[in-house]
Amino acid sequence: DADVTQTPRNRITKTGKRIMLECSQTKGHDRMYWYRQDPGLGLQLIYYSFDVKDINKGEISDGYSVSRQAQAKFSLSLESAIPNQTALYFCATRAGGAFDNEQFFGPGTRLTVL
Amino acid sequence: QKEVEQNSGPLSVPEGAIASLNCTYSDRGSQSFFWYRQYSGKSPELIMFIYSNGDKEDGRFTAQLNKASQYVSLLIRDSQPSDSATYLCAVVNDYKLSFGAGTTVTVRA
Repeated sequence: DADVTQTPRNRITKTGKRIMLECSQTKGHDRMYWYRQDPGLGLQLIYYSFDVKDINKGEISDGYSVSRQAQAKFSLSLESAIPNQTALYFCATRAGGAFDNEQFFGPGTRLTVL
Repeated sequence: QKEVEQNSGPLSVPEGAIASLNCTYSDRGSQSFFWYRQYSGKSPELIMFIYSNGDKEDGRFTAQLNKASQYVSLLIRDSQPSDSATYLCAVVNDYKLSFGAGTTVTVRA
């Protein structure tokens, strides 16, 4: 089984709809991240969490919210989806304690907002 | 100025040649540096990391770090068609990674 899973893998929705993207991990890592990727722009950090009680905004948090339900689960919500939120979304996890720890990515969710 | 900048590419190299990828970063306090490879539509996967000045080799890959110049590079020796991908440079600041936009490499058979 994959260490970092994301659901759904693909989602098409309409402008104004609320949607949730879910991420689960079995790596036991305390740190979890949500990124979006647009062609030619690399990965942009939306939100990150260093433990269940710690939530932080990233570079592009407007229009998004998150919930850290447990150490292993980190959900991203779009309260009212808009077309420019069409992108590839990645969840990632990383162990704390050392600056050279590897960051592991989920398989991604392709979101299309019509 | 973006935190992490990469040469825009795309970079096309013949099979067997050396591909050279460059990355500069703005925060002198950056602690460690990662190179990820990403195939189209897939998630990034780690190639190697470096945190000390100098060179670090792993198989056909060599990472080079110069903190004084705020520069990190990746060399791919004996390039293979399977190396065709986008390469992302990432820099650790405050225990989170900032990514460059990536350089797309195409290896011509």
